[in-house]
Amino acid sequence: GGIITQTPKFLIGQEGQKLTLKCQQNFNHDTMYWYRQDSGKGLRLIYYSITENDLQKGDLSEGYDASREKKSSFSLTVTSAQKNEMAVFLCASKQGRNNQAPLFGEGTRLSVL
Amino acid sequence: AQKVTQTQTSISVMEKTTVTMDCVYETQDSSYFLFWYKQTASGEIVFLIRQDSYKKENATVGHYSLNFQKPKSSIGLIITATQIEDSAVYFCAMREGDNYAQGLTFGLGTRVSVFP
Repeated sequence: GGIITQTPKFLIGQEGQKLTLKCQQNFNHDTMYWYRQDSGKGLRLIYYSITENDLQKGDLSEGYDASREKKSSFSLTVTSAQKNEMAVFLCASKQGRNNQAPLFGEGTRLSVL
Repeated sequence: AQKVTQTQTSISVMEKTTVTMDCVYETQDSSYFLFWYKQTASGEIVFLIRQDSYKKENATVGHYSLNFQKPKSSIGLIITATQIEDSAVYFCAMREGDNYAQGLTFGLGTRVSVFP
């Protein structure tokens, strides 16, 4: 079996700071995703990538950048952290051309002071 | 645009009984895929079961089964013989069309509490 590893697990930032979250998967999956989950809410898609160096915007991409430099890794940057922002960022991946469900990492919990 | 709605915020059940939770979806596409996930107290998100829109049979995996009512755009999750460990938040999600890579649209979740 494989694993999706997100780093860091906890991230505390300052207002206006640029923050980067990383995700690595060893499933050899083609497609990777970043979702945001606010407290008590569902998951919302920020970015996804169907292959190395590909980026596709989700509904929530404003305020974020993403990078897929290798097939196994997908990073997300919060371009300017908002004061009092608290959310969990979840990375997921799936094999390319099928209808399998994406699998999720354990998340990065962000707090902005 | 696609939309997924879970109207039940929380459900409490006794252990070893059956729990049913609702999910309705909106889509303009004739082909779509419906998923249920479980989020545990630790935050871990686990895939449970999938229903493909073109399949008439309800999907079943272990003690999870689906009640797919296509004319009502409804995909209910049924958990039989519940255990304490089934206490979690359950999310319904959908992907439209034939873009395999497209992200899922999620509902807001239903919190299930199983009591001994």
